[in-house]
Amino acid sequence: ETGVTQSPTHLIKTRGQQVTLRCSSQSGHNTVSWYQQALGQGPQFIFQYYREEENGRGNFPPRFSGLQFPNYSSELNVNALELDDSALYLCASSARSGGDEQYFGPGTRLTVT
Amino acid sequence: QQQVKQSPQSLIVQKGGISIINCAYENTAFDYFPWYQQFPGKGPALLIAIRPDVSEKKEGRFTISFNKSAKQFSLHIMDSQPGDSATYFCAATTSGTYKYIFGTGTRLKVLA
Repeated sequence: ETGVTQSPTHLIKTRGQQVTLRCSSQSGHNTVSWYQQALGQGPQFIFQYYREEENGRGNFPPRFSGLQFPNYSSELNVNALELDDSALYLCASSARSGGDEQYFGPGTRLTVT
Repeated sequence: QQQVKQSPQSLIVQKGGISIINCAYENTAFDYFPWYQQFPGKGPALLIAIRPDVSEKKEGRFTISFNKSAKQFSLHIMDSQPGDSATYFCAATTSGTYKYIFGTGTRLKVLA
């Protein structure tokens, strides 16, 4: 059984650019949630995907968008990058047929200059 | 009402001691409370979780105590080891939503 994987590991972008982050969910998991973790803070919920549709969103603007694919992998897209978008972006997967456990990937460290 | 308040912000414990981290919540709809351990540069790893129908859950050296009336829960790490040095996050969610609200984290350092 493979765990949650994310790519790339690190990324440096310039303000105003666009970025795409990728996540492969744990085997058998059909729900993917994305979180933003600023330095020294707890993760903050961005949005969740289930059955290829957005299933809830946190307090993030529309320039944060995502996709889920039939194999349950997911993408997070951020347009018009701002300096405050610099953070660790975490993907977490869960199996709706199981309990409430959520398993996190190693994250993508995004730096916006 | 969606906040989870965590304390202390940082904690230093001698090897073999007990580490205690506290969290409080307001939303009574929350019914699943996990704890995560995070090492620098890594994603959070699930340690232990509890539901409000029990007051305590123990797994190895890790114990969660839960006080439903006070809306508080805590993590106790017994016989703390230097390898336990990490940041610990509490979280809360409503069953079936998988939308976690995290605390702000506690940086634990266990001295050898």
